[in-house]
Amino acid sequence: QTVVTQESSFSVSPGGTVTLTCGFNSGSVSTSSHPSWYQQTPGQPPRTLVYDTYIRASGVPDRFSGSVIGSKAALTITGAQADDESDYYCLLYLGRGTYAFGPGTKVTVL
Amino acid sequence: QVQLVQSGAEVRKPGASVTVSCKASGYSLTSNFMHWVRQAPGQGLEWVGQMNPRGDTRTYAQKFTMTRDTSTNTDYMEVRSLTSADTAVYFCARDTGNYAPDYWGQGTLVTVSS
Repeated sequence: QTVVTQESSFSVSPGGTVTLTCGFNSGSVSTSSHPSWYQQTPGQPPRTLVYDTYIRASGVPDRFSGSVIGSKAALTITGAQADDESDYYCLLYLGRGTYAFGPGTKVTVL
Repeated sequence: QVQLVQSGAEVRKPGASVTVSCKASGYSLTSNFMHWVRQAPGQGLEWVGQMNPRGDTRTYAQKFTMTRDTSTNTDYMEVRSLTSADTAVYFCARDTGNYAPDYWGQGTLVTVSS
């Protein structure tokens, strides 16, 4: 069974940079996996940040950027702000019209 | 502007079924794929399935049935044979056209309890 992996948590200082990654338990993530990233705070629906590897969604600040690094998709937050403290999820396309989310990364800004 | 408005919270007993609606405005459902995602309390996001723009091809686990009413621009998802593990907030979300949701509904809490 294909499992999507993410770091469980990350801590970043205000103004700092953090890179979250998203991979497969077996195999590599590529642009053909069409990785996308979502930010979610408690009680709210997810907010789409980046899709199709690196395309920022409308209204998303350019301190959020997507890429593929090695065998994983990556979301980099540059110049972290207090309101970036959230849960972040990646979504990967598995083929045949199916997708899977990663378990999420809790980002703390302190 | 694009909006997805979902139906209200539901409570069901184990073994029953529930239908969640997702009414779209600002665009036609026949233009984009529609994803369904759920989130159990305190847990992460789980991709449940999607419907193609024509509404004739759906990808999902057998537990779920997706349907569409083009006259009201509303999508529906039925969850059958409910168990406590199906207690979750269910979201509909429009696809960007590039393998990812962009606009999300507000979510519908489904509680399964005897």
